[in-house]
Amino acid sequence: GEDVEQSLFLSVREGDSSVINCTYTDSSSTYLYWYKQEPGAGLQLLTYIFSNMDMKQDQRLTVLLNKKDKHLSLRIADTQTGDSAIYFCAEKRGFQKLVFGTGTRLLVSP
Amino acid sequence: DTGVSQDPRHKITKRGQNVTFRCDPISEHNRLYWYRQTLGQGPEFLTYFQNEAQLEKSRLLSDRFSAERPKGSFSTLEIQRTEQGDSAMYLCASSFGRLEKLFFGSGTQLSVL
Repeated sequence: GEDVEQSLFLSVREGDSSVINCTYTDSSSTYLYWYKQEPGAGLQLLTYIFSNMDMKQDQRLTVLLNKKDKHLSLRIADTQTGDSAIYFCAEKRGFQKLVFGTGTRLLVSP
Repeated sequence: DTGVSQDPRHKITKRGQNVTFRCDPISEHNRLYWYRQTLGQGPEFLTYFQNEAQLEKSRLLSDRFSAERPKGSFSTLEIQRTEQGDSAMYLCASSFGRLEKLFFGSGTQLSVL
């Protein structure tokens, strides 16, 4: 199918690690992205990974890419209450278009 | 602030009316995108411009929708004869370069009564 799939909801305690998973569809996608959306706001780019990489670390964020399974994950270390938001993965299809997943709502409790 | 700005933030209209939204991208960005987001869903691609040229339109964009980007700067999205199913958040984004890092505006929330 054409859908980029994500689990709907994740709940963690402050200080724990969060892992958000995504399954994308186009094996020829060159870049994959993670965006964050807070209530009433647009989307904010968190990080991205090029398709020839299998891991990228950026401060508290770690992106893992399994091209064979078309699986992407975002790990947030030492999760804070301010990390509570909806997280979207996206794949770049064709020349320019980004296709987004359905979003994972992360709830961080104190 | 030099981010992407959208106007208005909220629009309430009656079914059958026409509405127009505006997006001002980041000034040095040559690509501009419109996305639509409904509750509980990710953004869905509608259309994109490279400079003033509209290069791709989604099948979601019916004949009632039209987008323009005169002079390759700001863009407008018009919806004619609005229907209740048009109620959504309309997001604009801009980018430049090969990496395709999209910068989003805060969106226009449309409610069709």
